[in-house]
Amino acid sequence: AQSVAQPEDQVNVAEGNPLTVKCTYSVSGNPYLFWYVQYPNRGLQFLLKYITGDNLVKGSYGFEAEFNKSQTSFHLKKPSALVSDSALYFCAVSWRGGYQKVTFGTGTKLQVIP
Amino acid sequence: DTGVSQDPRHKITKRGQNVTFRCDPISEHNRLYWYRQTLGQGPEFLTYFQNEAQLEKSRLLSDRFSAERPKGSFSTLEIQRTEQGDSAMYLCASSLTGGLDQPQHFGDGTRLSIL
Repeated sequence: AQSVAQPEDQVNVAEGNPLTVKCTYSVSGNPYLFWYVQYPNRGLQFLLKYITGDNLVKGSYGFEAEFNKSQTSFHLKKPSALVSDSALYFCAVSWRGGYQKVTFGTGTKLQVIP
Repeated sequence: DTGVSQDPRHKITKRGQNVTFRCDPISEHNRLYWYRQTLGQGPEFLTYFQNEAQLEKSRLLSDRFSAERPKGSFSTLEIQRTEQGDSAMYLCASSLTGGLDQPQHFGDGTRLSIL
């Protein structure tokens, strides 16, 4: 089985401050990890992924994420938040050899305060 | 790359009616997925296609739900005898063949409201 947890329903951060959105996962093998962003009444947009290699992954719009195998985490980060980053963020996991599907977390609402 | 297109964007229907949604994936993408998303939740896997073959269906997908991808291009999702609990956003996504390491490209969804 595979699962992903986003422990925070909402994260508030002041504009210009660094942000972190947390994600932990559980899979039977080596994970494929993804972050997506969703704006109101829109579909999900891909931000970044970890498949293998360097634990620090850089993605779109200045976002990055750090894979930590020992803590089974894949937290999303950005050095300086923008008001336009306010949206719903989803972490997702799959793994080679697992079920042919991706499992999404319940989402974290990011609110960047001007 | 024109993106994934879903039609209609909104559907309002009475309980007991049948509804059909259409998804046009990115043209070179072989894999096509259907998800259901309710308020406050992440997308919930329903089914997926590799070309025209439906390779997996969620056990959550009741017999009232059926999906097709007849020529390996567009796909349809039909819900028969709709129920109140079917109210949700239905998302379609596509990806390149190559495995689950490929990111999925999502359409903007069809929002279904059951009266």
